[in-house]
Amino acid sequence: EAQVTQNPRYLITVTGKKLTVTCSQNMNHEYMSWYRQDPGLGLRQIYYSMNVEVTDKGDVPEGYKVSRKEKRNFPLILESPSPNQTSLYFCASSLRVMNTEAFFGQGTRLTVV
Amino acid sequence: GENVEQHPSTLSVQEGDSAVIKCTYSDSASNYFPWYKQELGKRPQLIIDIRSNVGEKKDQRIAVTLNKTAKHFSLHITETQPEDSAVYFCAPPNPDSNYQLIWGAGTKLIIKP
Repeated sequence: EAQVTQNPRYLITVTGKKLTVTCSQNMNHEYMSWYRQDPGLGLRQIYYSMNVEVTDKGDVPEGYKVSRKEKRNFPLILESPSPNQTSLYFCASSLRVMNTEAFFGQGTRLTVV
Repeated sequence: GENVEQHPSTLSVQEGDSAVIKCTYSDSASNYFPWYKQELGKRPQLIIDIRSNVGEKKDQRIAVTLNKTAKHFSLHITETQPEDSAVYFCAPPNPDSNYQLIWGAGTKLIIKP
C-alpha cells in the first residue's frame, strides 16, 4: 500500500531534550516536506527536499533540522525543543514538487513542556 | 500565505445545499490548482485539482472552476452531506519559488442537519 508513515504519532517531551520525528514513504517520490499546523495558521512549511542530499528552508525553519540521506526517509530533528514548537506536524511527499498530488503522513502531535 | 487568499474562513450550509469556496492567487504563471480536504483529527488529502489548460473539472458532487484572468479558482460542492464537514485548503504554486506551494489559511465547512 502506497503511504507516508510518521513516527511517533504523539510525543510529550521536555524543553531542551533532542528529538527526532521520522518520516518514510514507499512511493519513490522525489519531493518531501515537513509542515507544522497550528490553530488559525493553516499549514506552514518547515523544510523541504527536492531529492537525496538536497534540502532547503521553508517558511518557518528556525529550531529545526532535516536530512535526506535516502530517497524514502526525511527525518525532522529538533535539537533543543522549546514550548513554542508544540504543534501538529505533518510530513508529505509527492512525485515532483509541482503539478502532482501531495501525500501526507498521519501527523505527529508534539507537546514540549 | 501572503500570495493566496481563501474565502470564506468559515462556511455553514444546510445539508443538501451547495457550498462554494474561493481561492485567489497572485502568480499569473501558475498552472496547477489543487484543493485538499482535512477532516477533524486526520491528514489533508487531495480531493480535486485542475490544470491551467481547462476551465472546469468535475468529480461527482465536487467541481473546481478556474478563472485565470481574475486569478482565482473555486471549489464547488453540491448536495452537501454531513461527511463534507471539514477544513478545505487551496495550495497553488509559490510565485517566488519553483519548489514550494502556498497553502491557503483554510475554510471550515459546517454542514447543518
